[in-house]
Amino acid sequence: GENVEQHPSTLSVQEGDSAVIKCTYSDSASNYFPWYKQELGKRPQLIIDIRSNVGEKKDQRIAVTLNKTAKHFSLHITETQPEDSAVYFCAATSGGSYIPTFGRGTSLIVHP
Amino acid sequence: EPEVTQTPSHQVTQMGQEVILRCVPISNHLYFYWYRQILGQKVEFLVSFYNNEISEKSEIFDDQFSVERPDGSNFTLKIRSTKLEDSAMYFCASRGDRGLTEAFFGQGTRLTVV
Repeated sequence: GENVEQHPSTLSVQEGDSAVIKCTYSDSASNYFPWYKQELGKRPQLIIDIRSNVGEKKDQRIAVTLNKTAKHFSLHITETQPEDSAVYFCAATSGGSYIPTFGRGTSLIVHP
Repeated sequence: EPEVTQTPSHQVTQMGQEVILRCVPISNHLYFYWYRQILGQKVEFLVSFYNNEISEKSEIFDDQFSVERPDGSNFTLKIRSTKLEDSAMYFCASRGDRGLTEAFFGQGTRLTVV
């Protein structure tokens, strides 16, 4: 089955800095890669996703890149704000199973 | 905006007791999932359900667990004879179609086994 590794587990930045979270996956059949943000005590919510036919996608301050050859994808947050503080999960979904497999999560802390 | 809703938000149970966690997926969705998240750890897949049957399950989903869609709207997870290590946040999720679209999560049920 799919295995998703996510790094770092904790990321602490100053407000205004950029943050990068990296994930690798094992199943070359995976072709959909969502990123979820989970604020303390709340449900995971999709913030951005990328499909395997796209190398990069951007939505305002967040962007995701995908390297299918190397089987890794990254989340980039620019101009971080304190409200970006949360746990971020990457996931990989194989077109065969349609089941997202999640990484371990990255706790992002943005200091004012 | 439609949401996946879960009840109860918090359940405390004695070890060995049975619990039923309830979920109401988004109404026109076809694929349903249960995940669990032990405190401080990753979100782990338990089971997926489509067309009134289990389509896939993980190693975690052993004979202690069962799922049911009893009335066309609710989607339940039953845990028989709970153990201390079953303490976790349980998330229900649903998805609309066979395309690679977003899974929507419920707010979770925190299960505490004492």
